[in-house]
Parts: sequence; structure tokens; C-alpha cells
Amino acid sequence: NAGVTQTPKFRILKIGQSMTLQCAQDMNHNYMYWYRQDPGMGLKLIYYSVGAGITDKGEVPNGYNVSRSTTEDFPLRLELAAPSQTSVYFCASSYSNYQGGNQPQHFGDGTRLSIL
Amino acid sequence: AQTVTQSQPEMSVQEAETVTLSCTYDTSESDYYLFWYKQPPSRQMILVIRQEAYKQQNATENRFSVNFQKAAKSFSLKISDSQLGDAAMYFCAYRSTGNQFYFGTGTSLTVIP
Repeated sequence: NAGVTQTPKFRILKIGQSMTLQCAQDMNHNYMYWYRQDPGMGLKLIYYSVGAGITDKGEVPNGYNVSRSTTEDFPLRLELAAPSQTSVYFCASSYSNYQGGNQPQHFGDGTRLSIL
Repeated sequence: AQTVTQSQPEMSVQEAETVTLSCTYDTSESDYYLFWYKQPPSRQMILVIRQEAYKQQNATENRFSVNFQKAAKSFSLKISDSQLGDAAMYFCAYRSTGNQFYFGTGTSLTVIP
């Protein structure tokens, strides 16, 4: 019963490097989300996807890109890492049909990313 | 855009006592959902309780209950018989009709033995 799986759990990058944070869910959820959580703060939405092939910007999308080629996977890419992107990144998924519903988000365990 | 406000950055409670965490939100929508999540030091986000805006009855889950006041746009969490394992950050979250989630800045709960 894997749920939402994020890899890696920790990563240190140098300024200007690029990397991809992986996220996979096995619950057949149509919605997937990427958040960042800065120290002492709540979660800020970076990007989200309502289904395969569809993505949209959240509150803080600059410096990131996403793709959703399959229902299961929703990778987040940092092209030119900057110190301001040092944060903990959470991937989440949820299910929603046209009626909405009270389904919560299911979260991965997070990726702690440091840019030095 | 919706905003979620948690005005208590830190709270503490004696073990076995009751504590209430506050949450208010701003929205023009009439149909939405509200959630409380718990984030222990392990950083996992754990669903505590959920509430549908169209339901007048307050949700309860064992020792956790909410006081949902739709007109006041208030959604507080009450933890009864507090246990050491309840110590964590608690986040209030709003789910819009567009299925976006908005989170508050969190309340850090300390449980005193």
C-alpha cells in the first residue's frame, strides 16, 4: 500500500544545477500537486495537475516545471537551482469527480532540498 | 483567491486536558471542504478530520472534533484528552470547488506531561 512516493528524500544541489524530483501515486488519483514548505510556514502550491496531459500553475511556479504524461507520475523539475529554492517539497494527490467530494489530499513524505 | 488564517503560531496543553486550535478563512464560494492536517516531526502530513461546508453537523473523529461556523468562516479544532503523541504542527486547509487546496501557516502544539 505505497500511496504517494517521493524520491529522493534528501538532496544537496549547487547553484545553477538542475534536478528532477520524482512523485508517483498508485491510488488512481486524477489530481496531483506539488507544494513547497519553507521553515515555520505552511504549504505553498507550485503546480498542480487535474489529469494526464494537463498541468497548471499554482501560487509560486517560477523556477519550476512539471509534466504529467501518465496518471501515476508527476515529476517536478528545477532547471537552474537558486538558494531561494531551498525548502521541503511535498507531492500530494487526491481524487475528485464532477461532484467534487470531500476527498482529502494524500501526501508523500517530502524531499528536503538544499541549494548551496 | 481563498486565504486561510491560523492566528496561533504556538499552543500548549497539559496532557489529558483539552485544547482548541483556531482557523478562519476567506471565501466567496458556498460549497467547499475544510480539513485539519497534523504534521509531526517526521514531516508526514496526516489527515485529522474533514468537514463539508453544506453539513451543519460538526465532524468528530474520536478525540478530535471541529466547531464549524459557516457564517463566521471559522473552523476550529478541539483536541480532547490530549496525549503526548498529539504534539505536532497542525494545518488548517480549505479545498475550493476547483479542487485547489489552501493551507494556513500552522499552529505548533506542545503537550506538557
